[in-house]
Amino acid sequence: DAGVIQSPRHEVTEMGQEVTLRCKPISGHNSLFWYRQTMMRGLELLIYFNNNVPIDDSGMPEDRFSAKMPNASFSTLKIQPSEPRDSAVYFCASSFAAGGQPQHFGDGTRLSIL
Amino acid sequence: GESVGLHLPTLSVQEGDNSIINCAYSNSASDYFIWYKQESGKGPQFIIDIRSNMDKRQGQRVTVLLNKTVKHLSLQIAATQPGDSAVYFCAEKATSGTYKYIFGTGTRLKVLA
Repeated sequence: DAGVIQSPRHEVTEMGQEVTLRCKPISGHNSLFWYRQTMMRGLELLIYFNNNVPIDDSGMPEDRFSAKMPNASFSTLKIQPSEPRDSAVYFCASSFAAGGQPQHFGDGTRLSIL
Repeated sequence: GESVGLHLPTLSVQEGDNSIINCAYSNSASDYFIWYKQESGKGPQFIIDIRSNMDKRQGQRVTVLLNKTVKHLSLQIAATQPGDSAVYFCAEKATSGTYKYIFGTGTRLKVLA
């Protein structure tokens, strides 16, 4: 079975540019999460979708960050404009239910903003 | 509390020995716990989970123990292999009906040949 698929795996871009990260959750999962991982802060939840609807975006750092889930098989996380402090590994995870079930993670997008 | 990953504790284990990785969790009301393994360049991989109504659960070569009295979780890996080398995270879900997990800072396991 295919797991959570993220693209691109690596992204290097200059500050000020728009960055779009993509995620395909596991088929049948109705919950999708975007996380950011850094050495300093570990894993941080950015936003949570349930049945394609954003439920909690309180972890989104600033208005520069936005996320969409147009259908059950696709989500994007966009940063516009990007800044060097956005450099991190961004993970997408999905689960069958919001809580009480393990979240399955993709392999992440390593983002470097120069 | 918030996890700050400035320095990961490291556990070095001889190949073939058993490993025990510990985690202290923060919320006495947490009702569900997960152990993840993260290899370099990859996302966290689910290993095993346990609900608060249990104190022990076994998988293939892994056992999770939950001590709610002292809010402590441990992961035991039997006959540790080189492929077990990774960072291990515990995650707690605070109370039913919530989707938020609190992730530990992680422990790096190094398997010595």
